[in-house]
Amino acid sequence: SQQGEEDPQALSIQEGENATMNCSYKTSINNLQWYRQNSGRGLVHLILIRSNEREKHSGRLRVTLDTSKKSSSLLITASRAADTASYFCATDDSGGYQKVTFGIGTKLQVIP
Amino acid sequence: EAGVAQSPRYKIIEKRQSVAFWCNPISGHATLYWYQQILGQGPKLLIQFQNNGVVDDSQLPKDRFSAERLKGVDSTLKIQPAKLEDSAVYLCASSLDGPRREGDTQYFGPGTRLTVL
Repeated sequence: SQQGEEDPQALSIQEGENATMNCSYKTSINNLQWYRQNSGRGLVHLILIRSNEREKHSGRLRVTLDTSKKSSSLLITASRAADTASYFCATDDSGGYQKVTFGIGTKLQVIP
Repeated sequence: EAGVAQSPRYKIIEKRQSVAFWCNPISGHATLYWYQQILGQGPKLLIQFQNNGVVDDSQLPKDRFSAERLKGVDSTLKIQPAKLEDSAVYLCASSLDGPRREGDTQYFGPGTRLTVL
């Protein structure tokens, strides 16, 4: 079963606009990670946010985490055509050992 | 730094045949993962090794899938016999430490696209 559920499942925006995608999960986590997947570069790690953090930035990426709502959001600012990809959230559960579970992904299309 | 290597990149077989995939993780990475990604879905963990021991294989269909990691380095994933629903991309990933280190980034290989006819 997949823990994370990304929303929306598909998103189409113009180049230069911001893109926001959300992830909801069900069980307590140690941390949450966002990955990007496109046909050219495969699955690539973008950013990790720990359960005791609320916000994190990396370049044009901004991630927030709300553990009370069991949700996270990924904001990509000033989008580029190269950002076209599927974005997945992945959670490490807080059980005896860490098991990373991926969501179903948001498919982002950035139109030049 | 060399990434995670996988072979073959593509494989087409008929149902009931056998197939094997190979993965070479990043040098020094203790943890190795095999995922199955069906079209339109996120990766699903099949098996996780730390060194050459299995940490989690709860989602591995053990009646037809098997995996091993020899000497804690390379790994092979085998399907015998294959079914139509096994058509997917099989991804291998590795991480430096794994389960007991918080927030360990996984590095993914390019995957093997399997088509079962």
